[in-house]
Amino acid sequence: DQQVKQNSPSLSVQEGRISILNCDYTNSMFDYFLWYKKYPAEGPTFLISISSIKDKNEDGRFTVFLNKSAKHLSLHIVPSQPGDSAVYFCAASGGSNYKLTFGKGTLLTVNP
Amino acid sequence: DAGITQSPRHKVTETGTPVTLRCHQTENHRYMYWYRQDPGHGLRLIHYSYGVKDTDKGEVSDGYSVSRSKTEDFLLTLESATSSQTSVYFCAIRTQGINSPLHFGNGTRLTVT
Repeated sequence: DQQVKQNSPSLSVQEGRISILNCDYTNSMFDYFLWYKKYPAEGPTFLISISSIKDKNEDGRFTVFLNKSAKHLSLHIVPSQPGDSAVYFCAASGGSNYKLTFGKGTLLTVNP
Repeated sequence: DAGITQSPRHKVTETGTPVTLRCHQTENHRYMYWYRQDPGHGLRLIHYSYGVKDTDKGEVSDGYSVSRSKTEDFLLTLESATSSQTSVYFCAIRTQGINSPLHFGNGTRLTVT
């Protein structure tokens, strides 16, 4: 039973345009959501997070949106840069649970 | 840099042999985790620890055991390695409270032949 779903295995965008990565979750107990970026041969790197009390969080070019009623979150990257090319993982946790559940990841390719 | 060192970085072993992977942290954080990453599966939690000698299972714990005898070290053991355990293994630590990110090491690539 996959509790965090990233239904797009890959996404390709042009440099300077917006990248939108999507994530759905099924567990109503989740109240903290994160995005990680991963380059080949490196560990995942934390990018941005959002608590369920908010519906938007921004950090520079990165914005995460949370729609609790739809159990959906998205990561917007504007403008996209070639260095953003990586695998992006959505993750979630909830309640008193210290575990983090990850999606399968989306490979983003930003073309120059 | 969260001060996480994983060793070895690469290992090739034969089916049926025991293998131990080590995760070392320099900052005495309480929570430590082992994940595996596989194509088509993302990152899946194997085991985690919330203190010395305190560990619990994750979603893919079969065939793995862990030990934490010191705060700074979290060991993952494959008792009898199988080809299905060929993967990249990541250790992570939690440096703050419950709603905070995990910080990952650079991984160990394990190949079981």
